[in-house]
Formats: sequence, C-alpha cells, structure tokens
Amino acid sequence: GAGVSQSPRYKVAKRGQDVALRCDPISGHVSLFWYQQALGQGPEFLTYFQNEAQLDKSGLPSDRFFAERPEGSVSTLKIQRTQQEDSAVYLCASSLGQQSSPLHFGNGTRLTVT
Amino acid sequence: AQSVTQLGSHVSVSEGALVLLRCNYSSSVPPYLFWYVQYPNQGLQLLLKYTSAATLVKGINGFEAEFKKSETSFHLTKPSAHMSDAAEYFCAVSDRGNQFYFGTGTSLTVIP
Repeated sequence: GAGVSQSPRYKVAKRGQDVALRCDPISGHVSLFWYQQALGQGPEFLTYFQNEAQLDKSGLPSDRFFAERPEGSVSTLKIQRTQQEDSAVYLCASSLGQQSSPLHFGNGTRLTVT
Repeated sequence: AQSVTQLGSHVSVSEGALVLLRCNYSSSVPPYLFWYVQYPNQGLQLLLKYTSAATLVKGINGFEAEFKKSETSFHLTKPSAHMSDAAEYFCAVSDRGNQFYFGTGTSLTVIP
C-alpha cells in the first residue's frame, strides 16, 4: 500500500489478556519503529528494527512487551497479561533507514485495557 | 543526549493571524530536526525537516521553520492561520542514528 497500515485500529482487552498489534510498513522501508503515545503526550520510543533484526528494544516497558519482524516486513507488537497502564495508542513508523530519512507513521492502534 | 522542549502546550490564534509554535532542542551532535502534525485519531504526518542544508526550511501547507544554532531553536511558523490548521504539532530531533526524540506537543486552536 501507499502508507503504513496498522490493525486493528481499536482494541479493547480485559486486564490479563494478551494482545497482538500488527504493522505493515511502506514497501522498501528497511527501518521500522514502534512508539507508545499516552493521551496528551508525544510518542515514546519502544523498539526499532532494521530489516528483521531488532537493534534496539530499550524502550519496551517490561518483559510483557515483545516485538518481532521475522521476514523484515510486517511487524507484530505483542503485549502479554495486559495491565491498565498499557492503555495507550501504539504507533508504528517506517523509514528508508538513511540518517536523514523521516519517519512515516501509521494511524495507530488505540488499546484500552479494562 | 538528545531532547526537545516545546513551549506552550496550547496555542490559540485567530484565523488569518500568524502561527508561531516554539521548539528548542538539545543535542550532542549536529541534529536533524522535524515537525510533525497529528489530526485526531490519526498518525503523525511530516510537515518539514532540517538536515543541515538551508537553515530556513519550507514545508507543506504553508508552514516553515528556521534552524537557529545559537539559540538551539527550530520554531514553526505560518503567516496566516487557516481553520484546517487546528491540530497537535510535534517537534522531533534525531541523533542521526535510529533514535527520534519527540516533544510533548502543542495543540493549536484556530478561532474563526
């Protein structure tokens, strides 16, 4: 597609459930990022892939968060045993991977944990 | 370390008035700087970027920003606000690697 696609757009989970959020980046973009955006805040970095390699996961808030990009294209962010504090918008972004390349964002997945 | 400070979480302007959104950055290396706009329930859309070429950068929708190294600033301006400019605006700095640091955002309201 022409842009970054994320699904689902909205997800409601009961506390303790596992969720999986999908990101389909722009074709040819080698870099893929996941961000968490709380209400009224800017995006906070979670993790970064270059092709299939996860080069930085320093922003993942706990070991309940896991991301993968097995074939260097589609990525999945998984949250296990969701907690209320996980409620946020999860944004995926991709880029060409060059130093000056801007990020191209999807519309995000709004996760609400009840 | 890199960081971004956006002064003023909310800015209101009249339609047709000048828009000025402030961004100051901190960077240990010559930075790349970006402004993004976010409309409700959407992702962030790139407005413009500075990558060490011209210090005055023109973007989409009539926005521009000027890189001032001495002031460590990258303020966003538009000469005449339009109703459609109402949105959340984010300044971001890149460390020329794989990290982008975003400000907390400025919500722009345009008063008819």
